[in-house]
Amino acid sequence: QVQLQESGPGLVRPSQTLSLTCTVSGGSINSGDYYWTWIRQPPGKGLEWIGYIYYSGTTQYNPSLMSRLTISIDTSKNQFSLKLRSVTAADTAVYYCARALRSDWQQDYWGQGTLVTVS
Amino acid sequence: DIQLTQSPSFLSASVGDRVTITCRASQGISSYLAWYQQKPGKAPKVLIYAASTLQSGVPSRFTGSGSGTEFTLTISSLQPEDFATYYCQQLNSYPITFGQGTRLEIK
Repeated sequence: QVQLQESGPGLVRPSQTLSLTCTVSGGSINSGDYYWTWIRQPPGKGLEWIGYIYYSGTTQYNPSLMSRLTISIDTSKNQFSLKLRSVTAADTAVYYCARALRSDWQQDYWGQGTLVTVS
Repeated sequence: DIQLTQSPSFLSASVGDRVTITCRASQGISSYLAWYQQKPGKAPKVLIYAASTLQSGVPSRFTGSGSGTEFTLTISSLQPEDFATYYCQQLNSYPITFGQGTRLEIK
C-alpha cells in the first residue's frame, strides 16, 4: 500500500521560503508511471493544483506560482519537495502531496496534508 | 486557464435519495475529468476518472458521465458516509484546475 507523508514547518514568516518534503513509502518514486504532485487548499476554500515532477526531473508548474516555485525530487530517498519563495498570508493553506497516474492523470494516493501558516 | 463551474454549490438531501452534481467547463476537455470526495480534515479521494471510469474500490452507486464541456456525477442512493464535499478536476490542459466544490449535507 502506497503512503505519502508531508513534512516541514507549520509556520513561515512573510517574505520567507516555504519548504515541504513528501516521503513516499510502499512503492518507488523512481517510476515512469506516475507524476508526483503538490496541491493546496486554503482554510475553508477549494483545491489549487501547484505542480508536479516526474521521476526524470521534468516539472510542470501552475503559472500563477511559477515565478516563486521549485519542485525537486530525490529518488535515492524516495522523496520529492516543494519550495515556495517570498510567501504572503495568501499562501496559508493545507498542502497535500499526491501521486498522479501517468495513464489517466488522476491523483490516486494522497498524503494526509499539512497546514502551513504564513504569519 | 480552463474554468470549471459546479452546480449546485450546496445540496441538502436525505439518505436513500438520488443526487446529481453538474460540472461545466469553460472550453472542451474531451473526457479528461475526475471527481473527488473530501470529508472534513481529510485529503480528497478520487471517485471517478476519465469522466466515467469508477476508481477501484469505489461503490457502484457513484457514476460519472459526460464529455466536452458538461459532466455529471450521480449518487444513486445516498448513504450516510456520502455526505461530504465533491470536486471536479480537469486534466486536459495546464494548469490543472478544480471546480469550486459542491457541499452535500443531510436534510
